[in-house]
Amino acid sequence: EAGVAQSPRYKIIEKRQSVAFWCNPISGHATLYWYQQILGQGPKLLIQFQNNGVVDDSQLPKDRFSAERLKGVDSTLKIQPAKLEDSAVYLCASSLESWGPSLADTQYFGPGTRLTVL
Amino acid sequence: DAKTTQPNSMESNEEEPVHLPCNHSTISGTDYIHWYRQLPSQGPEYVIHGLTSNVNNRMASLAIAEDRKSSTLILHRATLRDAAVYYCILRDLADYKLSFGAGTTVTVRA
Repeated sequence: EAGVAQSPRYKIIEKRQSVAFWCNPISGHATLYWYQQILGQGPKLLIQFQNNGVVDDSQLPKDRFSAERLKGVDSTLKIQPAKLEDSAVYLCASSLESWGPSLADTQYFGPGTRLTVL
Repeated sequence: DAKTTQPNSMESNEEEPVHLPCNHSTISGTDYIHWYRQLPSQGPEYVIHGLTSNVNNRMASLAIAEDRKSSTLILHRATLRDAAVYYCILRDLADYKLSFGAGTTVTVRA
C-alpha cells in the first residue's frame, strides 16, 4: 500500500515570497491533516479536512496560510507571503476516519516538506 | 487539553529493553493513551495505544498504571532502527487532534 506522498521535499525561499506544498493521501482515506513542525518541537496541527470540507482550522494563520482539498483527495497548503518564522517541516497525514478509539483513525504521515525562509 | 510529561532523552544498548515513561496525572476517564514515534527525517508513525489494560503489538508493549496516571512504552529488544523521538499523547474520544509535545529522544548504542 502506497503511503502519504508529499512534494517538494525541500524548498528554500526568501521572505515575502509565496510557496505551495502538495499532498496525496493514502487511497480511501477521508481525513487529511496538515501539521507544522518547528525544529526541536513536536508537530502542531494547522488544519484538518474531512473529505473536502474543513473540520478544524483554528490553528491556521489565515492571514497568510491557505489550504484546499479539491475533490476530497489531494490537498495543497499555501503560504503567501512567507515570514522567517515559517521555516519548519510541513507534514501531511491521512486517516480512514477522523476520530474514535479504533485503529481506523490512526494517522499516517508523509515524509514532510522542509521549508527554509531566508 | 490533558498534558503528558516525558523525559527529554534516554539511551539504550542494542538488543536491550527500553522502558519509556510517561506521566499524565490529569488524565480523564475517556482519554486514550497513544504513542507515536518519529524516525530521523521522517514523519511520525503510530506505535500503540490503550485505555486501561496493557497492550501488546509487534512493535512494542504498553503498560498502564492501575490509576492511569502514568504509562510505560516498552521496546523489548532495541535495534538501531528504534532510534527516534517517541511521543506520548492523550486523546479523548471527542478530540480528534493529536497534540504532540516535545517527546523523548531515544538513542540506541551499537
